[in-house]
Amino acid sequence: EVQLAESGGGLVQPGRSLRLSCAASGFTFDDYAMHWVRQAPGKGLEWVSGISWNSGSIGYADSVKGRFTISRNNAKKSLYLQMNSLRPEDTAFYYCAKGATVSVAAAGPDYWGQGTLVTVSS
Amino acid sequence: QSVLTQPPSASGTPGQRVTISCSGSTSNIGTNYLYWYQQLPGTAPKLLIYRNNQRPSGIPDRFSGSKSGTSASLAISGLRSEDEADYYCASWDDSLSGHVFGTGTKVTVL
Repeated sequence: EVQLAESGGGLVQPGRSLRLSCAASGFTFDDYAMHWVRQAPGKGLEWVSGISWNSGSIGYADSVKGRFTISRNNAKKSLYLQMNSLRPEDTAFYYCAKGATVSVAAAGPDYWGQGTLVTVSS
Repeated sequence: QSVLTQPPSASGTPGQRVTISCSGSTSNIGTNYLYWYQQLPGTAPKLLIYRNNQRPSGIPDRFSGSKSGTSASLAISGLRSEDEADYYCASWDDSLSGHVFGTGTKVTVL
């Protein structure tokens, strides 16, 4: 059974940093791309970033480009999202999601974690 | 802002057929696969349809997807109370070099 467990969310002041982690199990982690998708409370879904199986291809939404960095450690079966210069509009549930293929672009997510809430406020 | 447009709401009585549309452009739906996700209240999204019209194992055949040009649709036949949820379409966008989601449609079972 595919399981994705996010951690690292919390309350942070504007301009500060936060690092999210996602622990994966139940599938061969390094055979698939991984994604971060966020959802502001009461709002729709927004793709944040994706990383291919070998970290060779990485993409970001324009809204986070230059501020967020996605990475993965295949040996630890873990996905990360380093979030810098956080803004109030970054407040959202952040979901870790497994890609359906090795490529970020070829397919969207097929399994999702339960999400971790990031609140950016002074 | 979402580049895929969906109606904000749809509704039907139990047993009816409900259809949700998703409108995009040549850089997303017109060129790439379309996915549909179901999000029940208070839960994470769940994949319903992949590659335009394929159902993952465990998804009942009451759910079906189709795509034509730059638009797509999700049909739910034999509507049930447990289908009450938010539904999102998604696709890769070649111009944005990223995945894009639809605006979301809330389905209500009357």
